[in-house]
Amino acid sequence: EPEVTQTPSHQVTQMGQEVILRCVPISNHLYFYWYRQILGQKVEFLVSFYNNEISEKSEIFDDQFSVERPDGSNFTLKIRSTKLEDSAMYFCASSEARSLQPQHFGDGTRLSIL
Amino acid sequence: DAKTTQPNSMESNEEEPVHLPCNHSTISGTDYIHWYRQLPSQGPEYVIHGLTSNVNNRMASLAIAEDRKSSTLILHRATLRDAAVYYCILSETTSGTYKYIFGTGTRLKVLA
Repeated sequence: EPEVTQTPSHQVTQMGQEVILRCVPISNHLYFYWYRQILGQKVEFLVSFYNNEISEKSEIFDDQFSVERPDGSNFTLKIRSTKLEDSAMYFCASSEARSLQPQHFGDGTRLSIL
Repeated sequence: DAKTTQPNSMESNEEEPVHLPCNHSTISGTDYIHWYRQLPSQGPEYVIHGLTSNVNNRMASLAIAEDRKSSTLILHRATLRDAAVYYCILSETTSGTYKYIFGTGTRLKVLA
């Protein structure tokens, strides 16, 4: 069964550095999402992406965040100038269509900011 | 904020059916009801979804109340591998893409 893959599984970065989290969505999917989960807390929506542009973003997704689909297969989340509070699990998800089809999640990247 | 309410935790014996309830009294006519589960150190895994009618798949059944204000996820025979946090989610959109608003879910413990 096709799946969403995320790399790396664990990223350790110094505070203030830039980090790029990578995702390969399922190949025929058109809608892409990033979520994050701080340890012990709820999964939170960050951003949705369709047709090479952001469709919706949450309050969390401020100017330090950006997303890109650079080559038609990868979907990346960039965090500029990371902060301690950015430490979390980041999940990528994709779906074929809107509400009719479910979102499929990757197993996440654990981001640790030191 | 999440528009669903679920019990924080439930327990079940192995091989027995489990009924996981969810209240969503403010559901709108176009909201789909999705169920996901999350095992430790993994991403949320799709279980089932529906709009109005009850749904069955290989993993579970979804019973939706006639007024759609509540639903129940039914695992017909719980196994130890079903121990996870189960999330009931209403997909919502303001832009054409459907974001999920997760609540705290129900932590299911399966006893051998």
